[in-house]
Amino acid sequence: NAGVTQTPKFQVLKTGQSMTLQCAQDMNHNSMYWYRQDPGMGLRLIYYSASEGTTDKGEVPNGYNVSRLNKREFSLRLESAAPSQTSVYFCASTLDWNSPLHFGNGTRLTVT
Amino acid sequence: QQQVKQSPQSLIVQKGGIPIINCAYENTAFDYFPWYQQFPGKGPALLIAIRPDVSEKKEGRFTISFNKSAKQFSLHIMDSQPGDSATYFCAASKGGGNKLTFGTGTQLKVEL
Repeated sequence: NAGVTQTPKFQVLKTGQSMTLQCAQDMNHNSMYWYRQDPGMGLRLIYYSASEGTTDKGEVPNGYNVSRLNKREFSLRLESAAPSQTSVYFCASTLDWNSPLHFGNGTRLTVT
Repeated sequence: QQQVKQSPQSLIVQKGGIPIINCAYENTAFDYFPWYQQFPGKGPALLIAIRPDVSEKKEGRFTISFNKSAKQFSLHIMDSQPGDSATYFCAASKGGGNKLTFGTGTQLKVEL
């Protein structure tokens, strides 16, 4: 049982490049989330999808877009990467609003 | 604006000691307070959670104490072990759900 799978694990981008971070879960969860983790700042919510077909902004959505491709997959896109987007990105999923979050192991992104 | 303040930033205890990590929140609408544990290279995992209708919750060696009037909650780890060495995050949300606001994290090291 894989749980929440994120790809890639590591990525280096130059300023202005674009990329998509992929996330897939095999737990039949309804809700999915994207967080970023920065030293001294904890985890901050970028976007979430309460159910298939819906997406909403979190605390720090600027510079990002998301797509809930189907119930299993939730991708995060950086259209024009900036050094301030250097971070570790975590995808998470949950069965419903009151269930625990299950996190993937993260994507470490560096923007030079 | 840090809505959940966590301290200390780092903590070293001897095996068998009782590390205590504290969090304070500002938003009185918060009604769900989980603690997450994160090992290096992994995503956070739910450790224990509390809702404001109780003042204490125990699960194994982990205890949450909750003080609603002071808007504070803390994590105690009884009989700490080297395997407990990890980063711990407190969090809070409104409506009991998973749109979490995280604290900044505490790096715990348990020495032999």
